Parts: sequence; C-alpha cells; structure tokens
Amino acid sequence: LAKTTQPISMDSYEGQEVNITCSHNNIATNDYITWYQQFPSQGPRFIIQGYKTKVTNEVASLFIPADRKSSTLSLPRVSLSDTAVYYCLVGGPNFGNEKLTFGTGTRLTIIP
Amino acid sequence: KAGVTQTPRYLIKTRGQQVTLSCSPISGHRSVSWYQQTPGQGLQFLFEYFSETQRNKGNFPGRFSGRQFSNSRSEMNVSTLELGDSALYLCASSPDGIATGELFFGEGSRLTVL
Repeated sequence: LAKTTQPISMDSYEGQEVNITCSHNNIATNDYITWYQQFPSQGPRFIIQGYKTKVTNEVASLFIPADRKSSTLSLPRVSLSDTAVYYCLVGGPNFGNEKLTFGTGTRLTIIP
Repeated sequence: KAGVTQTPRYLIKTRGQQVTLSCSPISGHRSVSWYQQTPGQGLQFLFEYFSETQRNKGNFPGRFSGRQFSNSRSEMNVSTLELGDSALYLCASSPDGIATGELFFGEGSRLTVL
C-alpha cells in the first residue's frame, strides 16, 4: 500500500482557503485517494475521495495531478470548527492483504 | 439512519486480563474494520471483516482477534492485555469494503490498561 506523507501541522486564519498536500509516490494504478477529518475523541469523518484530476463536493475540493503522486485537499473559507486533524489515505479495490495506513495526519489549527 | 455504535465507550482493565469490544455497523453495511489509535503510533489498521470472514489483517500480534456475526455486528477481543494496549479502538463500517469508498466510523472505545 502506498505510504503517504503530510505536513505535521498547519495554521490558518478564519475565512482563508487552506490547502493540505499529501505525497504518495508509490500509488498504484487502482488506488483511490481519500481524505478524512478527525476531531478529538471522535472517529474520523469522510471528507472527499478522488482518483484523478479534480473532485468537488459541498465541503472541499481535491486536486490530483496527472502523475497522481500527490494530492491537495482544499478547504474554502475555513472557520474555527475546521480545527481538526486531516488524514490522507491511499488504497484501492484490489486491497488484498495489504495494510491500511492512515499516516500521521495534519493538525490544522484555525486562528480567529 | 443510525450510525456506527461502539460499546463500551470507556473501560479500564489490568495487565493480563482480556477485553471484548463490540461494534454495530450501519444497517446494510457488510464490511466492518477495526483500528487502534494511540498518540505515539497514530491510527493503525487491525483487521477487516466482510460477510463474517476476515478479509484483511494489519500487523498486530495474535492477541488481537475479531469476529463478525451474521447480522454484521462485530466484536474485537484482546487477550493478555499489556500496558501498551491502552488506546482508542475505532470501528468503521462500509457497504463494500475499506478501500472502495467512504468509511463510517464510530466514536470509539477508550481502553485503559493499568
């Protein structure tokens, strides 16, 4: 399974757009890229998933370049409630016996 | 639609004891996966059950085991508890599996081993 690398922490002010990048150099052809958000003492919550190019939903956008070796989660106009840890996860339908690894995540702190 | 329910939410055990945690998935979801989260190691995958069969397994010792019942409810068991087993144990359900889409997580069971 592709190993992912993310910044350990990021700070941003309310109202700004935040971009969190995840590196996954060994991504496999069948792998999807999924992002989760986790608040303290809660389970992670699905944000968005994509395979290539750009995906957008009501809360975020996911940008994936052509080589798929990285991806960027974009959160528009963040608020204090977006303070959380964000995980990038790479895996595909042919999961087989590989391990599912969430990585260390990015601790995002929104400043008033 | 009810979410993923984990019980108990908190528990305290002593070294050498065993513990069983329960997870009730969202109705209709056939996949249940388990994770251990600690400050030092982050979120680590334990195993996945799909239609009562273990389909994938993480890198944990045999003291960690699980099972899934015909109604998709799952249990996780840890035997001969060690201090390092203190963690938040999360389960997640999904319709088709852990890598094909969205995982729905429960709030977790926080285990403290003394």
